[in-house]
Amino acid sequence: SSDLTQDPAVSVALGQTVRITCQGDSLRSYYANWYQQKPGQAPVLVFYGKNNRPSGIPDRFSASSSGNTASLTITGAQAEDEADYYCNSRDSSGIHYVFGTGTQVTVL
Amino acid sequence: EVLLVQSRAEVKKPGESLRISCKGSGFNFSRYWIGWVRQVPGKGLEWMGIIYPGDSDTRHSPSFEGQVTISADKSISTAYLQWTSLKASDSAVYFCARPIAEARYDGFDVWGQGTMVTVSS
Repeated sequence: SSDLTQDPAVSVALGQTVRITCQGDSLRSYYANWYQQKPGQAPVLVFYGKNNRPSGIPDRFSASSSGNTASLTITGAQAEDEADYYCNSRDSSGIHYVFGTGTQVTVL
Repeated sequence: EVLLVQSRAEVKKPGESLRISCKGSGFNFSRYWIGWVRQVPGKGLEWMGIIYPGDSDTRHSPSFEGQVTISADKSISTAYLQWTSLKASDSAVYFCARPIAEARYDGFDVWGQGTMVTVSS
């Protein structure tokens, strides 16, 4: 089982806001990175660290953290945001890294 | 252009050995950690481990320790993932990836295209 737990699936209406959460004890001490993966493709980094969005990632993607929960928010979801999203951070030992269980986002 | 190019898909039998590769170009390979990620079809991403080619410092995930070996040859800018005895459960797509910053891991922003490994008798 993963040290980082995500909801399996969420849906959002086109243009609305969706928040994807990631829970784990290590998140009290370490930031999460967030990846988007579409079918048949390699993952894409959409947010990392405390407050960093890679070049080319739309500013509708943002992230936050509180206690043992990290969140990725998509404000004004677009059809192309439909994908699987994974958080990634240290495991409970704080030594190694793990991915979250993944959340499938459907844009209605 | 920064690229990671992985070796081709493999079909192997249980018990066989295998080494797949990941060749970097367009950046100083020795100065970036290179990670390996497994994805069983239809399942999530799994962190396998990471290596710093500059000094071969390697961190295998506990879930994969003893199951695979991660290595690198900085002289040819190539990282490797190796099995000595494959199992059917090793069938998956394997990605290599490079972090966004030198000498530390803050997230992988460059990914290889993935190598599909099929293990079947």
